[in-house]
Amino acid sequence: EAGVAQSPRYKIIEKRQSVAFWCNPISGHATLYWYQQILGQGPKLLIQFQNNGVVDDSQLPKDRFSAERLKGVDSTLKIQPAKLEDSAVYLCASSRAGGYNEQFFGPGTRLTVL
Amino acid sequence: QKEVEQNSGPLSVPEGAIASLNCTYSDRGSQSFFWYRQYSGKSPELIMFIYSNGDKEDGRFTAQLNKASQYVSLLIRDSQPSDSATYLCAVNFMSGNQFYFGTGTSLTVIP
Repeated sequence: EAGVAQSPRYKIIEKRQSVAFWCNPISGHATLYWYQQILGQGPKLLIQFQNNGVVDDSQLPKDRFSAERLKGVDSTLKIQPAKLEDSAVYLCASSRAGGYNEQFFGPGTRLTVL
Repeated sequence: QKEVEQNSGPLSVPEGAIASLNCTYSDRGSQSFFWYRQYSGKSPELIMFIYSNGDKEDGRFTAQLNKASQYVSLLIRDSQPSDSATYLCAVNFMSGNQFYFGTGTSLTVIP
């Protein structure tokens, strides 16, 4: 079974630029999560999708961050414009529907904003 | 406000000792609890999950859950240097079927 795929693995941009991250979940997983993990901290949930509907985006900075999940499969997270404090690892995870199911994480995208 | 709290450590134990990691959560209605291990520069990986009050054992790992006290812990017996990592507690808040992670506890096992 293929794991969660993410790209790019690394990205360096200057502040005020835009950036997009892509995630392909495990086949059959209805739930997809985007997390932001700043160095030394735990993952912070940005947005959670169930199929292509949003379950929770309460911690997503909506003035600059946006995310979509087309057709309930792949997802894209965008930052526009980026700030220095957005430097972090962005993790995508997926799980089967329901709160009792394990999340599987992708390798993450390390973003550096200069 | 949904909160998951862990002692950030660092926690150091000698090889062969028992490491005890603790986690508290804010939502009394939470139903499922997960422990993840994260090595430096890597993604989190699941160690074990627990849903019911009491203990659950898996090899050298034991998860303990007390819903009345809103407390979940992870015990690692016979700690090995390879157990050195950050341990993340995750809680599923059933009010919205949302997952929240704690800040993690850094564990170092000293040979």
